[in-house]
Amino acid sequence: QVQLVQSGGELRKTGASVKVSCKASGYTFTTSGMNWVRQAPGQGLEWMGWISPYNGKTKSAQKFEGRVTMTTDTSTNTAYMELRSLTSDDTAVYFCARDVTGDFLGWFDPWGQGTLVTVSS
Amino acid sequence: AIQLTQSPSSLSASVGDRVTITCRASQGISTALAWYQQKPGKPPVLLIYVASSLQSGVPSRFSGSGSGTDFTLTISSLQPEDFATYYCQQFNSYPLTFGQGTRLEIK
Repeated sequence: QVQLVQSGGELRKTGASVKVSCKASGYTFTTSGMNWVRQAPGQGLEWMGWISPYNGKTKSAQKFEGRVTMTTDTSTNTAYMELRSLTSDDTAVYFCARDVTGDFLGWFDPWGQGTLVTVSS
Repeated sequence: AIQLTQSPSSLSASVGDRVTITCRASQGISTALAWYQQKPGKPPVLLIYVASSLQSGVPSRFSGSGSGTDFTLTISSLQPEDFATYYCQQFNSYPLTFGQGTRLEIK
């Protein structure tokens, strides 16, 4: 079955960076895009960006441009999201989610289990 | 960016009730809408895509309808496991956006 398994929780200081991984299995990695979505404590879902493992093309939400880097490793079927210059506002659970359509404009299924990133001064 | 507004923000209902959640888009999005269910401490789960297509494995008591700017998610007969938070998501245009969520609670 299609499965996304994310890396474990992280604790970072203000100003630091964090890199979250998402290992995919059960499908051909390069045929679907990967989205990154975050959820602050008690809040809703916020789309961060998308990457195509096929050609490395990315799209990110304007508020994260210049601060987020999304990459993939097709040899290990793993997607990565790095967020820099962390502040307390970045404390959230970060999810990866497969883009079913493969062309960015699509719905998400399945989702990874989530990675809690805590930013503390 | 297209804004999605869900109503109500929270809802109390009983097992067996019929429940409808609305999602309104700030501009027309055709049928480029999905619905997700999220339980505490868990990732969202896809219920409906392209406004009205039921995801495989999702119970038939869930249904979606609408096009343009107004969409609904209906649960025909609430079951205990349906108490959760529901989100709509548009994929008509960049950036992808979500509604603020509707929390469905037990009455």
